[in-house]
Amino acid sequence: DAKTTQPPSMDCAEGRAANLPCNHSTISGNEYVYWYRQIHSQGPQYIIHGLKNNETNEMASLIITEDRKSSTLILPHATLRDTAVYYCIVIKQGGSEKLVFGKGTKLTVNP
Amino acid sequence: DTGVSQDPRHKITKRGQNVTFRCDPISEHNRLYWYRQTLGQGPEFLTYFQNEAQLEKSRLLSDRFSAERPKGSFSTLEIQRTEQGDSAMYLCASSSPFMPSSYNEQFFGPGTRLTVL
Repeated sequence: DAKTTQPPSMDCAEGRAANLPCNHSTISGNEYVYWYRQIHSQGPQYIIHGLKNNETNEMASLIITEDRKSSTLILPHATLRDTAVYYCIVIKQGGSEKLVFGKGTKLTVNP
Repeated sequence: DTGVSQDPRHKITKRGQNVTFRCDPISEHNRLYWYRQTLGQGPEFLTYFQNEAQLEKSRLLSDRFSAERPKGSFSTLEIQRTEQGDSAMYLCASSSPFMPSSYNEQFFGPGTRLTVL
């Protein structure tokens, strides 16, 4: 699976959009981009995933660049409860079932 | 609540003792995963079951570690002769057989925090 690179930490003001970047420059055509987050003292939680089109659900939006080498997770109106570590993971379709987590980005939403 | 449950939530043991953790997945989820997480790191994959079959094991799963899922429902993770380096959060996750192959949503439990003194 392709390696991902994320900034170690980011801050965001409550009510503003949080834009979390992820670089996956070695991604291949059959690999999906997944985002999970882990709130303190809890297990990780799935957020969203995509292949090449932008995706949106009730939690977030995922923007994948046209060359697929990077993506951005957008939390449109961040709340204090969005403070968490956010993990960007690349998974090959039909490949191993395991999730390979990096260190992620620690997002702190400030009041 | 029908989420993934883990027992115990916390375990303190002395070096050299054996410990066993239990994971109950979401009902009807046939896939079950174990991960380990140390402070400041992301979770690391340990092993994966589909029904009762253990299909993948990480190199992290030394011979002191054994995982079982005898009836394809709950799973146990045993660590024999614990070492201080085994101190970590042990996370269990499950996923549904009804998702398309491109969909890898794993539902995680709250974890078992192991401290080896």
